[in-house]
Amino acid sequence: NAGVTQTPKFQVLKTGQSMTLQCAQDMNHEYMSWYRQDPGMGLRLIHYSVGAGITDQGEVPNGYNVSRSTTEDFPLRLLSAAPSQTSVYFCASRRDLSSRAPLHFGNGTRLTVT
Amino acid sequence: SQQGEEDPQALSIQEGENATMNCSYKTSINNLQWYRQNSGRGLVHLILIRSNEREKHSGRLRVTLDTSKKSSSLLITASRAADTASYFCAEDLSGSARQLTFGSGTQLTVLP
Repeated sequence: NAGVTQTPKFQVLKTGQSMTLQCAQDMNHEYMSWYRQDPGMGLRLIHYSVGAGITDQGEVPNGYNVSRSTTEDFPLRLLSAAPSQTSVYFCASRRDLSSRAPLHFGNGTRLTVT
Repeated sequence: SQQGEEDPQALSIQEGENATMNCSYKTSINNLQWYRQNSGRGLVHLILIRSNEREKHSGRLRVTLDTSKKSSSLLITASRAADTASYFCAEDLSGSARQLTFGSGTQLTVLP
């Protein structure tokens, strides 16, 4: 199993450009989520999904869109990038909504918006 | 404000020493989870302690939970250079396991 795979690893965007961060998991996990990690602020939840066709907002959803058309994939879209979106983005999945199921993380996408 | 705050923010010790990290949280929890993050990598789940447990062990890891003080501690015994990483506690603020909230972490450096 590859686990959670994120692409690309690095990306530089100009303000106003759009892009999609890809996330795929091969563990048949129901739950998937996106976090951003900024220095000194820990991880903040952007969006999450509890199954194909179901998405919901986390703590910091503005400026981001998600969709979940399949169990495996959960892409994160930046519609019009802003410098404030410079961050490291992590995709994470868990088996189900059992509170004891741990999160499995990808290795992140480092995004710089100039 | 940030939930699940870790203390200290940074910790530097010699190989072989024990490392203790603390986490304070603000809500009632079903469980508290600890994760480790090596530089440039994603987080890896270490251990989970349930609200009705006071102490849990896993290898060189020992986690305690004090629900009356809303705090938890992670002890790494006989530390190794490979333990150098950031450590985060995480709590489920939503109560439905839909939103796991992380603190800002403790950066542990183990010197050889």
